[in-house]
Amino acid sequence: DQQVKQNSPSLSVQEGRISILNCDYTNSMFDYFLWYKKYPAEGPTFLISISSIKDKNEDGRFTVFLNKSAKHLSLHIVPSQPGDSAVYFCAASPYTDKLIFGTGTRLQVFP
Amino acid sequence: DGGITQSPKYLFRKEGQNVTLSCEQNLNHDAMYWYRQDPGQGLRLIYYSQIVNDFQKGDIAEGYSVSREKKESFPLTVTSAQKNPTAFYLCASSIGVSGRYEQFFGPGTRLTVL
Repeated sequence: DQQVKQNSPSLSVQEGRISILNCDYTNSMFDYFLWYKKYPAEGPTFLISISSIKDKNEDGRFTVFLNKSAKHLSLHIVPSQPGDSAVYFCAASPYTDKLIFGTGTRLQVFP
Repeated sequence: DGGITQSPKYLFRKEGQNVTLSCEQNLNHDAMYWYRQDPGQGLRLIYYSQIVNDFQKGDIAEGYSVSREKKESFPLTVTSAQKNPTAFYLCASSIGVSGRYEQFFGPGTRLTVL
């Protein structure tokens, strides 16, 4: 039972354009959401997070949007750069419990 | 220079042998985790520990064992009972188990069982 789903295994975007990565969840008890970025043969690194009391959080080129009624969150990267090419994982948790990760989306940014 | 170290980066073992993967952190974090990554499967939780001398099974604990004798160390043993041990293993730590605390990951160990 996959509680956190990333239905697009891959995404290809031209440099300078917007990248939109999507994530859906099923558990209404989730109240904290995070995005991690992972390069091959390395550990993931934290990118950005959002709590359920907000619907948007922004950090430089990265913005996360949360739609609680749809149980959906998205990560926007504007403008996309070649160095953004990586696998992106969304993760969610209830307040006092461990994170549950999605399956990841591989983003490729081409010139 | 705080962080998480995993050793070795690449590990080869013969089928039927137990193997222990090392994970050390100097971030003074209470919680530590072991994940397994397979292509198309994301990060699946094997075991986690909230505090020294305590640990809980994750989603795929069968065939694995852990210990947490020191706050800094959380070794994972892949036993011969694990049916498909070849994978990329990631260790992580955080201040606490709550999702509000960022998890810091090590560089990973790629285990190949021949």
